Order: sequence, then C-alpha cells, then structure tokens
Amino acid sequence: GENVEQHPSTLSVQEGDSAVIKCTYSDSASNYFPWYKQELGKRPQLIIDIRSNVGEKKDQRIAVTLNKTAKHFSLHITETQPEDSAVYFCAASIRSGGYNKLIFGAGTRLAVHP
Amino acid sequence: DAGVIQSPRHEVTEMGQEVTLRCKPISGHNSLFWYRQTMMRGLELLIYFNNNVPIDDSGMPEDRFSAKMPNASFSTLKIQPSEPRDSAVYFCASSLGTSGARTGELFFGEGSRLTVL
Repeated sequence: GENVEQHPSTLSVQEGDSAVIKCTYSDSASNYFPWYKQELGKRPQLIIDIRSNVGEKKDQRIAVTLNKTAKHFSLHITETQPEDSAVYFCAASIRSGGYNKLIFGAGTRLAVHP
Repeated sequence: DAGVIQSPRHEVTEMGQEVTLRCKPISGHNSLFWYRQTMMRGLELLIYFNNNVPIDDSGMPEDRFSAKMPNASFSTLKIQPSEPRDSAVYFCASSLGTSGARTGELFFGEGSRLTVL
C-alpha cells in the first residue's frame, strides 16, 4: 500500500549540533520527495525537495539525500538554531489515476535548545 | 497572490450539525488537495482535484464527508452530520500541475480548525 515511514518522531538537539530525519517509502515509482516545515499553529511550508534523478541536494544549512534502491531519503540540518524548532514532514509522490498525489510521513518534532 | 485562502479559520459546532469548509486556491493552479491533520494520524489526504475534477477520493473517511469544486477558484469540504472524532485541522492546498511525471510544490492554506462538541 501507499506508505511513508518517518523517524524519529521527536528529536532534541543542542544549538549548533546537526539533526537528521529519515524516511522510507513503499512505491518504487515515487519520483518526488519534498520536506515541509510546520511551526506551531502555522501551515506546512516547503523547505527543500528532491527529484529521483539526483541523489543529493543542498540549500545552505539544509540538505536532502535520496537512495532510490533502498527507497529511503533523509533531511540533514547543520548548525541548528532555535528557530529550526518545528515539526518536519517528509512526503513522497504516489501515482494515482494518471496524476501524482503526495503522501506524508507522520512528522518529526524537532526541538533545538539554546 | 494572497496564497491559498481558507474559511473559516476556526469552527466550533455541536455533534450532528453540518459543517462546510471553504477554499480558494492560488490563481492558475490546476490541482487542489484537502488534507486533515490530527495528532494521532498526522496529515491525511482526503481528496484531490485536477482541473476541477475529483481524481482520488479514497481518503474520504465516510459518506458523511463530501467535497466539490464547482470552478477553478473555489472548493468546499462538507461534513454532515459532524461527529466529535471529526475534530481536526483541515488544510486545503493547491499546486501547479500534478499530471504526467511532474509533481508541483504544494502550497497550503492557513487551515480550518474544527471542533465538534
């Protein structure tokens, strides 16, 4: 079935440390993998995405890696800051009826302590 | 563009009442999604439309839920009758193109927080 598993569910780090969140997906046809950040009481917003034709993408302190063979992808945040504290969701595209829909992981609550 | 606009932002109602949530997607976006967010189940896709046509409603939990998109700039999600377990934040999102091999970025609205007593 359509499934995206995300770990860990909660993550606590000290300011300046790195944070890594991992996701696995079930549909081998998935080709788009975005990451969304949701601050408390706010809407989810895209922070980075990767398509299946690349293995890694970086944007300042944020990077995403993709292993299509193993069907897993990860979000890496370096030099974490208190404002990185939020819930992070991974997602994978699933083919349905000729169109693509996004299925989300359960989310990771990241807390960055000063 | 003002982004995806949802109303109401908050709704408190009593069990058995009808609830209608509204969404205006970003102009020019041809795909619209309704998600439900709860602590227990995370972000669940309920239904999505492409060019105003429902494509996949397999996530709609029960017949009490229905969604329409009468034109490119408006969609509704209706719950009738509502139950306490429907309490959640309902997000509408739109994107430019999910057909073919390409998936576009999803832009979410602010959400509608529903509480059913």
